[in-house]
Amino acid sequence: GENVEQHPSTLSVQEGDSAVIKCTYSDSASNYFPWYKQELGKGPQLIIDIRSNVGEKKDQRIAVTLNKTAKHFSLHITETQPEDSAVYFCAASTNSGYALNFGKGTSLLVTP
Amino acid sequence: NAGVMQNPRHLVRRRGQEARLRCSPMKGHSHVYWYRQLPEEGLKFMVYLQKENIIDESGMPKERFSAEFPKEGPSILRIQQVVRGDSAAYFCASSKTSGTGELFFGEGSRLTVL
Repeated sequence: GENVEQHPSTLSVQEGDSAVIKCTYSDSASNYFPWYKQELGKGPQLIIDIRSNVGEKKDQRIAVTLNKTAKHFSLHITETQPEDSAVYFCAASTNSGYALNFGKGTSLLVTP
Repeated sequence: NAGVMQNPRHLVRRRGQEARLRCSPMKGHSHVYWYRQLPEEGLKFMVYLQKENIIDESGMPKERFSAEFPKEGPSILRIQQVVRGDSAAYFCASSKTSGTGELFFGEGSRLTVL
């Protein structure tokens, strides 16, 4: 089955700096790659997603890049703010779209 | 427009008891999914249901776990004869259609087995 690896497990940046989180996947059939933000005690919230026919997608301060050949995708957050502090999960899925395979998460801390 | 509603938010059970977790999907959503999150881990897919049908239960443990989504009322995840290893956060998600991947998650039910 699909195996999603996520790095780093923790990341601390200063406010205003950029943060990058990287994920790799094993199943070449995966074609949907969402990113979720989970705040303490809350459920995961979709923040951005990308499909395999696209190499990059941007939404204000967040962007995701996908390299299908290398089977890796990354989340980029620019101009980080303290409210960006949370656990971020990457995931991969095949055409089913619902059986998401999640990475283990990255705990991001943005210090003022 | 209420989101995915899960209850209870916290549940404590002793070994051998039963746990029932409920999930009401977002308005207009007919697809429900259950995921489990162990401490320090990502979420793991358990089961996908539509009204009165289990579509995919490939992630469900073979014993003690069951799920339903009746014609009326919320989806129920039932765990019989709980063991300590069942302690986890159980998240429900819903979607309007299947295959698009846009899942909306509830806030989870945290089960603690003593």
